[in-house]
Amino acid sequence: AQSVTQPDIHITVSEGASLELRCNYSYGATPYLFWYVQSPGQGLQLLLKYFSGDTLVQGIKGFEAEFKRSQSSFNLRKPSVHWSDAAEYFCAVGDYGGSQGNLIFGKGTKLSVKP
Amino acid sequence: DTEVTQTPKHLVMGMTNKKSLKCEQHMGHRAMYWYKQKAKKPPELMFVYSYEKLSINESVPSRFSPECPNSSLLNLHLHALQPEDSALYLCASSPWGGQTNEKLFFGSGTQLSVL
Repeated sequence: AQSVTQPDIHITVSEGASLELRCNYSYGATPYLFWYVQSPGQGLQLLLKYFSGDTLVQGIKGFEAEFKRSQSSFNLRKPSVHWSDAAEYFCAVGDYGGSQGNLIFGKGTKLSVKP
Repeated sequence: DTEVTQTPKHLVMGMTNKKSLKCEQHMGHRAMYWYKQKAKKPPELMFVYSYEKLSINESVPSRFSPECPNSSLLNLHLHALQPEDSALYLCASSPWGGQTNEKLFFGSGTQLSVL
């Protein structure tokens, strides 16, 4: 069965510092991978997604993620964090050719940004 | 218009009440979703409507009853809820029938408290 692991429950970084949020997945074939962000009391917003092709994916708000099949990872990065990036981040995996309803979310990583 | 609008934003109800949550999108999307999100947890899929037909029901108790009157509207009727049903209820939509490679657009949710 598919699964997604986000090892870090809570991360605190200083404003302007670089960021890496970890995501590991378990899936037999090439997965569809997503990163979503959720601000408090809000819905989720898609940051980026990977289906195939270039393993380095660019997203909105200056985020990028790299798919590494050998490590079953899809880590999210940002070179310089802004205070407005403080939020909850969810990694998700989906079936190739399947339904969005089958997205499996990780448990999330809460990002705090200190001035 | 690139928004998914949910009303009300907050709802407090007793266990004997009947209430409804409403979701609306005018992006011409053909798939709509209900998710439930408990505090500090990832979203959990409840229902998916694809082309106005219920395509996924994730074994949700019958006290939750979805309805899709047309392609722009999605309702969630609530009756005889339990305190453990208190959560953030998120609506989402996607452009086509709900394939994995579609982007999900989320509303900001209804924060439901059951007393």
